Amino acid sequence: AQSVSQHNHHVILSEAASLELGCNYSYGGTVNLFWYVQYPGQHLQLLLKYFSGDPLVKGIKGFEAEFIKSKFSFNLRKPSVQWSDTAEYFCAVTVGGATNKLIFGTGTLLAVQP
Amino acid sequence: DGGITQSPKYLFRKEGQNVTLSCEQNLNHDAMYWYRQDPGQGLRLIYYSQIVNDFQKGDIAEGYSVSREKKESFPLTVTSAQKNPTAFYLCASRRTETYEQYFGPGTRLTVT
Repeated sequence: AQSVSQHNHHVILSEAASLELGCNYSYGGTVNLFWYVQYPGQHLQLLLKYFSGDPLVKGIKGFEAEFIKSKFSFNLRKPSVQWSDTAEYFCAVTVGGATNKLIFGTGTLLAVQP
Repeated sequence: DGGITQSPKYLFRKEGQNVTLSCEQNLNHDAMYWYRQDPGQGLRLIYYSQIVNDFQKGDIAEGYSVSREKKESFPLTVTSAQKNPTAFYLCASRRTETYEQYFGPGTRLTVT
């Protein structure tokens, strides 16, 4: 079965530190890739997405992610985090394009200390 | 103001009772989804519907039921057969042209 792995369950950083959150998926065919963010008390919202084309995608609030097909990875990055980035981050994948089902990773809780 | 509404925000029920969670969207999206979020487990798909009067089981459908009589509405019933119903439930809808899903604010259900 297809799955998404987020190896960092809980990350603590100081403000201005760089961030990289790992995401790996298990599926050999066509995928669409997403990062969602859930700020405390807010809706889950889309941070960025990859469908095709340039494997380096830029999202909101200075986030970016790189799709590396050979590694089945879609890691999220931000060069300098802020306290307001404290949130839970979810990687998600749709596979095959047929059913439009999103498969989510288990999430990474990021705490940024001022 | 377009979006997805879920009500209520918090819901408390006694064991053995069925409970229905509301999800309404005014985004004119065809597809709608129900997820369950538990700490450390991410979001797991319960049911989804790609069109009115049609729906499919997701990965954890046992103990849940849904209906899709109107495009705007996709209520989820948590039945007494669901062994561990206490969780945070999220509803989503999807734009037809893309795979992007939009999420509601969620309902936190506590069953004691």
